[in-house]
Amino acid sequence: NAGVTQTPKFRILKIGQSMTLQCTQDMNHNYMYWYRQDPGMGLKLIYYSVGAGITDKGEVPNGYNVSRSTTEDFPLRLELAAPSQTSVYFCASSYSPTEASGANVLTFGAGSRLTVL
Amino acid sequence: GESVGLHLPTLSVQEGDNSIINCAYSNSASDYFIWYKQESGKGPQFIIDIRSNMDKRQGQRVTVLLNKTVKHLSLQIAATQPGDSAVYFCAENNQTTDSWGKLQFGAGTQVVVTP
Repeated sequence: NAGVTQTPKFRILKIGQSMTLQCTQDMNHNYMYWYRQDPGMGLKLIYYSVGAGITDKGEVPNGYNVSRSTTEDFPLRLELAAPSQTSVYFCASSYSPTEASGANVLTFGAGSRLTVL
Repeated sequence: GESVGLHLPTLSVQEGDNSIINCAYSNSASDYFIWYKQESGKGPQFIIDIRSNMDKRQGQRVTVLLNKTVKHLSLQIAATQPGDSAVYFCAENNQTTDSWGKLQFGAGTQVVVTP
């Protein structure tokens, strides 16, 4: 059981380039999330999705886009990379509130380290 | 906005001793709290959670204490082992609103276990 898989693990981008961070989960979780983690800081929510075809903004959505065409996949798109987007990105998934009986336990991927130069 | 924070950025603990990691929160509407452990190069891993109708919850070698009066959360690790070296995050949200999964994370505490 792989859990949450993110690719790539590392990437260096030039300013203005675009790229997609891939995320897939095999736990049949309806809820999926993208967080970013800056050095010495906690995680901040970028976007989340409560099911296929539904996405919503988190705390820091500017400069990013997401889509959720299937339950398993939740890619994060950076259209015009900026140095401020240098960070470690974590994808996570969880059961819905009803399924989880209130236990808001997220399963995280191993992260994708992105550097924008 | 209101946020979750930690008192100590780094905690050095001798192997075998007990560790106490503290967390202050300011959002009085928060009713659910959770601790994650993040080892170097890995994603955060769930440790233990607690709802606001409880003041203590125990897991395997870990105990979470919640003091709503002073808005304080702590994680106690018994008999700390080298494998406990990691960054520990507390997080919170309000489960009565639509914030499921939209956890507010603190900055983290680095725990270093020394032999």
